Amino acid sequence: GDSVTQMEGPVTLSEEAFLTINCTYTATGYPSLFWYVQYPGEGLQLLLKATKADDKGSNKGFEATYRKETTSFHLEKGSVQVSDSAVYFCALGHGGGGGADGLTFGKGTHLIIQP
Amino acid sequence: DAGVIQSPRHEVTEMGQEVTLRCKPISGHNSLFWYRQTMMRGLELLIYFNNNVPIDDSGMPEDRFSAKMPNASFSTLKIQPSEPRDSAVYFCASSLRSSGRTEQYFGPGTRLTVT
Repeated sequence: GDSVTQMEGPVTLSEEAFLTINCTYTATGYPSLFWYVQYPGEGLQLLLKATKADDKGSNKGFEATYRKETTSFHLEKGSVQVSDSAVYFCALGHGGGGGADGLTFGKGTHLIIQP
Repeated sequence: DAGVIQSPRHEVTEMGQEVTLRCKPISGHNSLFWYRQTMMRGLELLIYFNNNVPIDDSGMPEDRFSAKMPNASFSTLKIQPSEPRDSAVYFCASSLRSSGRTEQYFGPGTRLTVT
């Protein structure tokens, strides 16, 4: 079955540091890939997505590129802020634009940004 | 627009009691998903509906769990009888199942504690 593996945290960085959170997946067919973010006490919010190989998703300074050859979708940001502190989930989905069926999530990476 | 609404936000109950979680999806969305989040297992899909019809309930852990969607604007997840291992955060998500745009929007979750 489908699975997503991401680095487990917590990951602690200083403000303005470069961020990479690794994500790799195993899936049948050609899934869409997502990054969701969860702030304390809240539900998950879609951060970015990519629906096919070599697509780059981007939002709020975050980027991730769908690499089919390495089955990866690593999340990057050039300069993190304290407000980026949250839990980040990598996920994959099938159907329609990728989220029509249920999503398979990684375990989540807790990111802590220190001023 | 109101997002996905879940109630209650917190539920504490004793082992053996019946628990009912409620979800109101975003108006106009035609797919609804129930997820469970625990420290040990992360986020897991329990069941999802398209146009009020259950499509995949393979994630429902056992017969104690049941979900219904009597109309397009309401769904319930019931646990009867509840057990301490059911303690988790339960998320509801909805999406509009159409080509190209099927992002799932998550509610704030219900934190269930079974003592």
